[in-house]
Amino acid sequence: GEDVEQSLFLSVREGDSSVINCTYTDSSSTYLYWYKQEPGAGLQLLTYIFSNMDMKQDQRLTVLLNKKDKHLSLRIADTQTGDSAIYFCAEIDVGGSYIPTFGRGTSLIVHP
Amino acid sequence: NAGVTQTPKFQVLKTGQSMTLQCAQDMNHNSMYWYRQDPGMGLRLIYYSASEGTTDKGEVPNGYNVSRLNKREFSLRLESAAPSQTSVYFCASSEGTGSSYNEQFFGPGTRLTVL
Repeated sequence: GEDVEQSLFLSVREGDSSVINCTYTDSSSTYLYWYKQEPGAGLQLLTYIFSNMDMKQDQRLTVLLNKKDKHLSLRIADTQTGDSAIYFCAEIDVGGSYIPTFGRGTSLIVHP
Repeated sequence: NAGVTQTPKFQVLKTGQSMTLQCAQDMNHNSMYWYRQDPGMGLRLIYYSASEGTTDKGEVPNGYNVSRLNKREFSLRLESAAPSQTSVYFCASSEGTGSSYNEQFFGPGTRLTVL
């Protein structure tokens, strides 16, 4: 079955870049996602990438996919205090149940 | 559009009490989900409903039951609450199988404490 792993904490200084990493195990056609959870709220989709892509950029966000190593990263440029949140990596096997498998979430703390 | 709504927002129960968590979506989505979130454990799927009229167990179904009342509503019932069910519960919905990337939309959560 699918398994998604990510580190639990990341602390960065305001204005620096943040890089949150994730590894996954499914090898078939897959959508990979980054969700953001702000304090006291539900998750919201930030961005996603299909497994036939290497990179996706959206304003301050860059997603990199290394299919060989099954490694996904989210880079946030010019990190702001408003970016402090929990970031979840998730994947869906397009040929399977279409139920997402979530990682445990990375708590990003941005300090002045 | 309200998106996904959940009631109640907070609840305190005593061990052995029962309660139902309500969830509704107004996006005409086919699939609905119930998750629980515990510190360090991420999101764990309790039950899901791929389409109206169907429900299936997720990763942690023990102690819970669900009802897909209609396309809009998906409720989660705790028949006899236990302290181990203290958690934050999230309902989510998505277009389901056949959609391009099946984005999930989450409700604001219900914070449940069982004493």
